[in-house]
Amino acid sequence: DAGITQSPRHKVTETGTPVTLRCHQTENHRYMYWYRQDPGHGLRLIHYSYGVKDTDKGEVSDGYSVSRSKTEDFLLTLESATSSQTSVYFCAISETDRTTSYTFGSGTRLTVV
Amino acid sequence: DQQVKQNSPSLSVQEGRISILNCDYTNSMFDYFLWYKKYPAEGPTFLISISSIKDKNEDGRFTVFLNKSAKHLSLHIVPSQPGDSAVYFCAASFIQGAQKLVFGQGTRLTINP
Repeated sequence: DAGITQSPRHKVTETGTPVTLRCHQTENHRYMYWYRQDPGHGLRLIHYSYGVKDTDKGEVSDGYSVSRSKTEDFLLTLESATSSQTSVYFCAISETDRTTSYTFGSGTRLTVV
Repeated sequence: DQQVKQNSPSLSVQEGRISILNCDYTNSMFDYFLWYKKYPAEGPTFLISISSIKDKNEDGRFTVFLNKSAKHLSLHIVPSQPGDSAVYFCAASFIQGAQKLVFGQGTRLTINP
């Protein structure tokens, strides 16, 4: 998607290893979000950020941490990956906290074996 | 507990006919409702939205209806086209600190020629 890039696009990792996913935006949007998509659950919010160094938890934050040291980058870290964290992860951005729609990245498919 | 529910995992419709996708919600504090469309290996893209103060919003072939008393919304696509084949997510917005979107499980729509 124009203006928002996720890396890597695919990753296979072993149980117990740390993993970091990156979301990079060129839109200078203040708000950034991490979601995971799983069959039967749709998209669920993991963490979000409302500014540099300002982050908060979503509904499924256990086992995940985030950091935002620059406006353009929002990192999601799985401190010790588990098989239940196998999922597709989407980053989203929005310009204000009252916008009616988000712009999503193309996703990162993570497999924990 | 799932605050936004899409009870039909899949829907198959003939090309040219009407597609109707349904969504139910439980939280009366939701103030905005959105539909997203998702193709394989891509992020969700915004399709159409409706404010909680309205009961209908139309954009070309797409119309969203909101029934607040029933806590139900629906997306109508008419006429349906092959390019409409995708997964459709219903989402609801509420303001608690920063704005957050809560998504349903998704409905896979297949348009048959």
